[in-house]
Amino acid sequence: QKEVEQDPGPLSVPEGAIVSLNCTYSNSAFQYFMWYRQYSRKGPELLMYTYSSGNKEDGRFTAQVDKSSKYISLFIRDSQPSDSATYLCAMSDLQPDKLIFGTGTRLQVFP
Amino acid sequence: GAGVSQSPRYKVTKRGQDVALRCDPISGHVSLYWYRQALGQGPEFLTYFNYEAQQDKSGLPNDRFSAERPEGSISTLTIQRTEQRDSAMYRCASSQGLAGVDNEQFFGPGTRLTVL
Repeated sequence: QKEVEQDPGPLSVPEGAIVSLNCTYSNSAFQYFMWYRQYSRKGPELLMYTYSSGNKEDGRFTAQVDKSSKYISLFIRDSQPSDSATYLCAMSDLQPDKLIFGTGTRLQVFP
Repeated sequence: GAGVSQSPRYKVTKRGQDVALRCDPISGHVSLYWYRQALGQGPEFLTYFNYEAQQDKSGLPNDRFSAERPEGSISTLTIQRTEQRDSAMYRCASSQGLAGVDNEQFFGPGTRLTVL
């Protein structure tokens, strides 16, 4: 079993939809949780960063962490075609430290 | 300012040859990381440095892989006696490396290695 599990998708939604992306993990020592966005043929770029449990909102994006369930989510409101990318969850137990990534979920938002 | 740069961007080599992949981190970044990313997968950790010290090399697949960062800036990942299974995108990332603050890892464009 992988330390971090993520549904690879693809997920296809119409413009304006609410998107929910999720990851589960097995290592209870993880404290830092991140979502990266990766466009085709580009490197990952940080989208959201959360420490420990709770919610964090940034514009159309909301990250949630439930450490008791070992489950994290990223919500995208009013999705746009420009949101079409692969979304990778990542986590670590220390900072600075190696990141453990999920496989990524490919999202396509069609007009 | 300049981001993380990697060279070469593409490397094609024959099985059995050695390759050296270079990473130039963001100026002033203390921590430098190497990851390997297969198609359709997330990056997989290989090793990381704080300054010139290699902190963790638990992700290196075997002893054909090594990395160095002798002056605490540029890093080189070397793969000896390459095999076809080494073909992948090799990504470098750097971060400020300060514990206790948002410690974003900035990724480079990667080196696509193909072993024939």
